[in-house]
Amino acid sequence: DAMVIQNPRYQVTQFGKPVTLSCSQTLNHNVMYWYQQKSSQAPKLLFHYYDKDFNNEADTPDNFQSRRPNTSFCFLDIRSPGLGDAAMYLCATSRDRPGGGVEQYFGPGTRLTVT
Amino acid sequence: GENVEQHPSTLSVQEGDSAVIKCTYSDSASNYFPWYKQELGKRPQLIIDIRSNVGEKKDQRIAVTLNKTAKHFSLHITETQPEDSAVYFCAASITSGGSNYKLTFGKGTLLTVNP
Repeated sequence: DAMVIQNPRYQVTQFGKPVTLSCSQTLNHNVMYWYQQKSSQAPKLLFHYYDKDFNNEADTPDNFQSRRPNTSFCFLDIRSPGLGDAAMYLCATSRDRPGGGVEQYFGPGTRLTVT
Repeated sequence: GENVEQHPSTLSVQEGDSAVIKCTYSDSASNYFPWYKQELGKRPQLIIDIRSNVGEKKDQRIAVTLNKTAKHFSLHITETQPEDSAVYFCAASITSGGSNYKLTFGKGTLLTVNP
């Protein structure tokens, strides 16, 4: 039973051509995250939504944008992909609770190739 | 912000031996410490977590210990099996909830269990 779904699983785009990655969840979690993971590195948080509130990491390039039209869906838009943006993009969700500290559920990821 | 250091970066053990991975964190306010296992090309999956009000937690062959005074926590895997081979990430949560909730990951440990 898929809980966090990402589409597509593999995406090839051309240098500078906008691309959108999608994430959906069936968990009804209020927090959704986007991570970038390059080979042999830890996931790097790009931004997250707490309910409808968008929280951008200070070092996330302006080239990366996100939309969350409803609780279930979240999109990652890369406006002008560069070769350095080739990576695995992971979506994750969690449900906040008093006192914090809840599990993040990761999707299978979208592997982005930039040609 | 929070900084998480993880050691070693690679670990090779014989099947049946124990494996220990250690992490330190910098922010004394951190109160949640999960460990994720990531097999090649797959999503990170939570294997165990510990909260700041607990010193040790065990789940079958996996255990995690936390020393809040020293600000370090460790993952212990006993009776290792080849299927334990993966990259393991520790993480720390720096908030008690709300819109700032997020994880800071260590750089990962590549564990290889040799048959």
